[in-house]
Amino acid sequence: ETGVTQTPRHLVMGMTNKKSLKCEQHLGHNAMYWYKQSAKKPLELMFVYSLEERVENNSVPSRFSPECPNSSHLFLHLHTLQPEDSALYLCASSHASTGRNEKLFFGSGTQLSVL
Amino acid sequence: GNSVTQMEGPVTLSEEAFLTINCTYTATGYPSLFWYVQYPGEGLQLLLKATKADDKGSNKGFEATYRKETTSFHLEKGSVQVSDSAVYFCALTRGGSNYKLTFGKGTLLTVNP
Repeated sequence: ETGVTQTPRHLVMGMTNKKSLKCEQHLGHNAMYWYKQSAKKPLELMFVYSLEERVENNSVPSRFSPECPNSSHLFLHLHTLQPEDSALYLCASSHASTGRNEKLFFGSGTQLSVL
Repeated sequence: GNSVTQMEGPVTLSEEAFLTINCTYTATGYPSLFWYVQYPGEGLQLLLKATKADDKGSNKGFEATYRKETTSFHLEKGSVQVSDSAVYFCALTRGGSNYKLTFGKGTLLTVNP
């Protein structure tokens, strides 16, 4: 148990559906991240929130919409996804300390399948 | 830009065998280097790290030395166990930024009894 909880663990959705992934951390961190893990590819950083402000957005399609209502919660809203969006979506958190290389704490991920 | 190259897997070993997983990197500035491990059905966990040249990170019997001259950070363990079966990711941070970890593709290790 890493202190970062993601729900649901598995999600199957059609291309016209709207769904949301949820991440919650109980570690007192103030930076949260969304990563995409696809087979045989490096982990792709999607979004970073630090102190509830988005500080990184790596050219992610607009069909992915993040939301960070407070420092403990992070959402990824999904709509009109494509089959190539099927992947494991990982949430992570850390302390937002500039100049220090704090480690990331990851959740177990949501395995998403888009039909 | 920054990048990390890991040896292709999968790697299959017998228990008590010696493990090496190669990792080389390309980066501007002076990155910090990390190994993360992902056990089946779980998220990634930090295994070890090194923040400057010649540093050696170690944890749970695993070691990796930051070699600036060869831009490498190879992961080693003298005697693997079945419980070490997992995917191992080499990663680095972008110089001057805490937020962006650049990961390699991961190497699947399977240890047989």
